Amino acid sequence: AQSVTQLDSQVPVFEEAPVELRCNYSSSVSVYLFWYVQYPNQGLQLLLKYLSGSTLVESINGFEAEFNKSQTSFHLRKPSVHISDTAEYFCAVSLRGSNYKLTFGKGTLLTVNP
Amino acid sequence: EAGVTQFPSHSVIEKGQTVTLRCDPISGHDNLYWYRRVMGKEIKFLLHFVKESKQDESGMPNNRFLAERTGGTYSTLKVQPAELEDSGVYFCASSQDDRISYNEQFFGPGTRLTVL
Repeated sequence: AQSVTQLDSQVPVFEEAPVELRCNYSSSVSVYLFWYVQYPNQGLQLLLKYLSGSTLVESINGFEAEFNKSQTSFHLRKPSVHISDTAEYFCAVSLRGSNYKLTFGKGTLLTVNP
Repeated sequence: EAGVTQFPSHSVIEKGQTVTLRCDPISGHDNLYWYRRVMGKEIKFLLHFVKESKQDESGMPNNRFLAERTGGTYSTLKVQPAELEDSGVYFCASSQDDRISYNEQFFGPGTRLTVL
């Protein structure tokens, strides 16, 4: 069975600082990788995904994540965060060719302070 | 286009009572998923419908949970009788036909269930 580890439950940073949210996964078969974000009082939104091809994927709001197969990681980065990036971020995997059910990490609460 | 909706947004019930959660997926989405997040834990898969059929219910905790999807449209998740450990946020997600390729799961806002 696959599993996802998000080592940091909370990450406080100052506005305009860089941030990295770590995600490692474990699976015996190939997976798809995702980052979801949950803003306060809202549902989960897909931030970015890796299905195949280029190992570096980007979102429209400046986040990027890189799939590293050898390290089984999919860390999320942003070079300069905004107050509006304050949210909980979830890393998730699903098995290729499966019913695409998602296995999530425990989430990382990113708090951006002025 | 309306997104995934869930009702109610919050529910507070006493142990032993019955609660029914509802999910309306995006129109035309064949796939419907239920997930649950217990406080302090990760979001966990409960089950997956393809149209009206249960494709995978391996995540259902026990037989106090019953999910249905009438006519392949909305879905309900009934908990009967509710126990304290059932408290958490229940998420519903839907996606288009993904037999050929992956399609994004769109999540609803969740139902926060509190069992006292």
